[in-house]
Amino acid sequence: AQSVTQLDSHVSVSEGTPVLLRCNYSSSYSPSLFWYVQHPNKGLQLLLKYTSAATLVKGINGFEAEFKKSETSFHLTKPSAHMSDAAEYFCVVSERGSNDYKLSFGAGTTVTVRA
Amino acid sequence: DGGITQSPKYLFRKEGQNVTLSCEQNLNHDAMYWYRQDPGQGLRLIYYSQIVNDFQKGDIAEGYSVSREKKESFPLTVTSAQKNPTAFYLCASSISSGLGGYTFGSGTRLTVV
Repeated sequence: AQSVTQLDSHVSVSEGTPVLLRCNYSSSYSPSLFWYVQHPNKGLQLLLKYTSAATLVKGINGFEAEFKKSETSFHLTKPSAHMSDAAEYFCVVSERGSNDYKLSFGAGTTVTVRA
Repeated sequence: DGGITQSPKYLFRKEGQNVTLSCEQNLNHDAMYWYRQDPGQGLRLIYYSQIVNDFQKGDIAEGYSVSREKKESFPLTVTSAQKNPTAFYLCASSISSGLGGYTFGSGTRLTVV
């Protein structure tokens, strides 16, 4: 079985300061991990993905995430927040089942950026 | 440009009525999915389909139905049996392995009035 826990439901940062969104997962096998971003009333956009290659993954818009197997974590970071980063972020784990792949979504972290 | 199109963007339904949400993709993806999104609950899987003419129930399939007659299309019907249908519905697609991540549509917000 797999599950995802996003440790913060809401993160507030000042523009230009670092952003850290925390994600822990549980998985029976070697998972694939993703971060998605969702702006209000929009679909989800893929930020980055980890699929058993390099543990430090770089994504779009300056985001990156590090896969730490020993800590079962996949935290998302950005060195300097921009106003346009205000959105909801989802950590997602994908695990292969007997016939298909199943996704599990975290509950989401809402990011607000203060000017 | 390839992508997923969901329509309509906003939909209002009277209690007791069935309503169908459209999802079309031109990415040549084999797999398609329907998710329901409620505040503070993330996304929950309703139905998914890995190939044409085949689909499986997700975690919250009760009160919903789907069809997959064409690779490009995966419509979702919200039936009158769904007790709390007001939500944001997202359609997604992926290559069969799922390792590349999913491509999402822009969603349909359904409100029961």
